[in-house]
Amino acid sequence: EAGVAQSPRYKIIEKRQSVAFWCNPISGHATLYWYQQILGQGPKLLIQFQNNGVVDDSQLPKDRFSAERLKGVDSTLKIQPAKLEDSAVYLCASSLGLQGLGGYTFGSGTRLTVV
Amino acid sequence: AQKVTQAQTEISVVEKEDVTLDCVYETRDTTYYLFWYKQPPSGELVFLIRRNSFDEQNEISGRYSWNFQKSTSSFNFTITASQVVDSAVYFCALSGTNTGNQFYFGTGTSLTVIP
Repeated sequence: EAGVAQSPRYKIIEKRQSVAFWCNPISGHATLYWYQQILGQGPKLLIQFQNNGVVDDSQLPKDRFSAERLKGVDSTLKIQPAKLEDSAVYLCASSLGLQGLGGYTFGSGTRLTVV
Repeated sequence: AQKVTQAQTEISVVEKEDVTLDCVYETRDTTYYLFWYKQPPSGELVFLIRRNSFDEQNEISGRYSWNFQKSTSSFNFTITASQVVDSAVYFCALSGTNTGNQFYFGTGTSLTVIP
């Protein structure tokens, strides 16, 4: 079974620029998550999708962050404009359903550096 | 509120020593799941174990063992006869059925196994 695919693996941008990350979950996984992991901290949920609908985006900084999962499969996370404090690893995860009982599978993440 | 505390920020042990990583959690959910993940330098989160709140049996998998005690809200992880390949950051996480099953991660414990 293929894992959760994320791209790019690394990205360096200047502050105030825009950036987008892509995630392709495991086939058949209805639930998709984006997490932000700042260096030295545990991952923090940004947004959770069930198919193409948003379940939870309470911790997403909506003034600069946006995410979509238009066809209920892959997803993009965008930051516009980026700030220095957005430097982090952005992890995508997927699970079979909302319960996550089948376990979550995380991608390798995109490491963003804002300079 | 959901909260996971990993009080040990960094631990160093000499190869072949046993080491225990502590995890204390807080939740109001009656049904919840506890997880341990390993994050090697490559950055990917590797699933180690999931326990549900109704199963307090300890579990052993090779050199790894987990001690779940609801009375003390703890889910500790022991590595027996540690190896250099065990060097990584280890995260404890909590997921509750009343909170959309999103993960709440601890801040992680960085384990260094010295040869």
